[in-house]
Amino acid sequence: AQSVTQLGSHVSVSEGALVLLRCNYSSSVPPYLFWYVQYPNQGLQLLLKYTTGATLVKGINGFEAEFKKSETSFHLTKPSAHMSDAAEYFCAVSDRTNAGKSTFGDGTTLTVKP
Amino acid sequence: NAGVTQTPKFRILKIGQSMTLQCTQDMNHNYMYWYRQDPGMGLKLIYYSVGAGITDKGEVPNGYNVSRSTTEDFPLRLELAAPSQTSVYFCASSYSQLEKLFFGSGTQLSVL
Repeated sequence: AQSVTQLGSHVSVSEGALVLLRCNYSSSVPPYLFWYVQYPNQGLQLLLKYTTGATLVKGINGFEAEFKKSETSFHLTKPSAHMSDAAEYFCAVSDRTNAGKSTFGDGTTLTVKP
Repeated sequence: NAGVTQTPKFRILKIGQSMTLQCTQDMNHNYMYWYRQDPGMGLKLIYYSVGAGITDKGEVPNGYNVSRSTTEDFPLRLELAAPSQTSVYFCASSYSQLEKLFFGSGTQLSVL
């Protein structure tokens, strides 16, 4: 069985500050990991994904995430927050034992203060 | 480039009514999914399909039904609406398993 835990349902940062959104996963086999972003009244959009290979993954809008197997983590970071980054962020895990179905975390709402 | 299209965007139902949420995609994706999103919660998988004619239950299938007669369409049916089904419903599709999901813009459903 696979699961995802996002630490912190709400994160608030100042514009220009580092963004760090935490995600820990559980999977019995090598996982595929995703970060999605949801803007108000919209569906989710993919930010980045990890499958195999390089553990540091770069995504859109300056976000990146690092897969750390020893810590079962896939934290999302961005060096400098922008007002437009305010949204809800979801971490998701998928693996080949579950017909590729994704399991989502409960989400983290990011607020960016001017 | 339409992507995944869901209709309606909003709906209010009375307890016991039935309705169908429509979902269509124009990307020729084999995999399609229905999720529900409750406030402060992540997405829970209701049903999914790996191709036309093939459907299977997700985490929370009770009270729902689906069909997949074509590659493009994956409607979700609520037969006897209950207040517990008040939620935002998202349809998604992917090219293959383990690939990224493309989401529709959602249907906000209230059952009163």
